[in-house]
Amino acid sequence: GENVEQHPSTLSVQEGDSAVIKCTYSDSASNYFPWYKQELGKGPQLIIDIRSNVGEKKDQRIAVTLNKTAKHFSLHITETQPEDSAVYFCAASLTFGNEKLTFGTGTRLTIIP
Amino acid sequence: NAGVTQTPKFQVLKTGQSMTLQCAQDMNHEYMSWYRQDPGMGLRLIHYSVGAGITDQGEVPNGYNVSRSTTEDFPLRLLSAAPSQTSVYFCASKLTSGGTNEQFFGPGTRLTVL
Repeated sequence: GENVEQHPSTLSVQEGDSAVIKCTYSDSASNYFPWYKQELGKGPQLIIDIRSNVGEKKDQRIAVTLNKTAKHFSLHITETQPEDSAVYFCAASLTFGNEKLTFGTGTRLTIIP
Repeated sequence: NAGVTQTPKFQVLKTGQSMTLQCAQDMNHEYMSWYRQDPGMGLRLIHYSVGAGITDQGEVPNGYNVSRSTTEDFPLRLLSAAPSQTSVYFCASKLTSGGTNEQFFGPGTRLTVL
């Protein structure tokens, strides 16, 4: 089955700097890659996703890049703010709409004021 | 809309006890699922359902039962709790059509099995 590895497990950045979280996946047939943000005491919330027919997607300060050849994808957060502090999870699934998402192990991002 | 609701928020069980974690959604989503979240392991899929009367196993189904009698509700049953089932449980739902694949998660149930 699919295996998703996520790095780093913890990340601290100064407010205003950029943060990058990286994930690799094992199944070359995977073609849907969402990112979820989990704030303390809450359930995860989708922040951005990308399908394999697209190499990059941006939404304001958040961007995701996908390299299908290397089987890795990354989350980029620019101009970080204190409210970006949370745990971020990447995930992968075989098809868009496929119910079986495989999640990475999470990255705890701390923004230092 | 209340979104996805879960009860209880916290629960302590003794080994061998049974209980049901409740999950409900008011968004008319066809798909519902249960995940468990353990430190350092991300979220793992336990069971899921693509509609009333249809359920299927996820990655870690052993020790858990589900049923889906209505679109709104998707309870998770632990028949004989074990310490290995100590975890935070999340229910999620989504549409199965319409161009979005976003899963909406509930606030979670923290379960401790002694």
